Amino acid sequence: AQRVTQPEKLLSVFKGAPVELKCNYSYSGSPELFWYVQYSRQRLQLLLRHISRESIKGFTADLNKGETSFHLKKPFAQEEDSAMYYCALSRSGTYKYIFGTGTRLKVLA
Amino acid sequence: SQTIHQWPATLVQPVGSPLSLECTVEGTSNPNLYWYRQAAGRGLQLLFYSVGIGQISSEVPQNLSASRPQDRQFILSSKKLLLSDSGFYLCAWSVAGTGAYEQYFGPGTRLTVT
Repeated sequence: AQRVTQPEKLLSVFKGAPVELKCNYSYSGSPELFWYVQYSRQRLQLLLRHISRESIKGFTADLNKGETSFHLKKPFAQEEDSAMYYCALSRSGTYKYIFGTGTRLKVLA
Repeated sequence: SQTIHQWPATLVQPVGSPLSLECTVEGTSNPNLYWYRQAAGRGLQLLFYSVGIGQISSEVPQNLSASRPQDRQFILSSKKLLLSDSGFYLCAWSVAGTGAYEQYFGPGTRLTVT
């Protein structure tokens, strides 16, 4: 069965430190992967998707098929990055999305 | 532009009472629609999705049901609520079809069953 694992429930880093939010998936085919973010009192929203290969708000994520990972990285954390982050997977040819359990990122001043 | 609405924002219901949560989308046609439950430590659990009027796929056997009476309306229901139905319910939409489409989420409904 397809699964998305985010091993850290909470990640605390200091402002200016590098951030890496881990995401591992299990799926034998070609996955479509996403990172969603939920800031305090805001709606869940897309941060980035792997097919776009883009950097949003300084965040990047690289799909590593060998390690089945899609870790989210930012070289220098900012306080406004504090939020809940969800990794999600969609199987090609389906309508379903599978979300991980989420990681709460706290950036400390 | 497209918008998604959910109501009510909060709801407190006694055990055994019925439930009806509504979600509507504006500014798009024939969207894929989704109901999720968001629980602390458990992430987002897909409950139902719909690719068209009257077409409902259930992901998790439970005390809930969903209906899509109109193209841009998605309703989550229960005949008799259980304590375990408490949670935060999110509606979402994406463009029709399969693929790496972004999902757009509503503001959510906080349901407390007492």
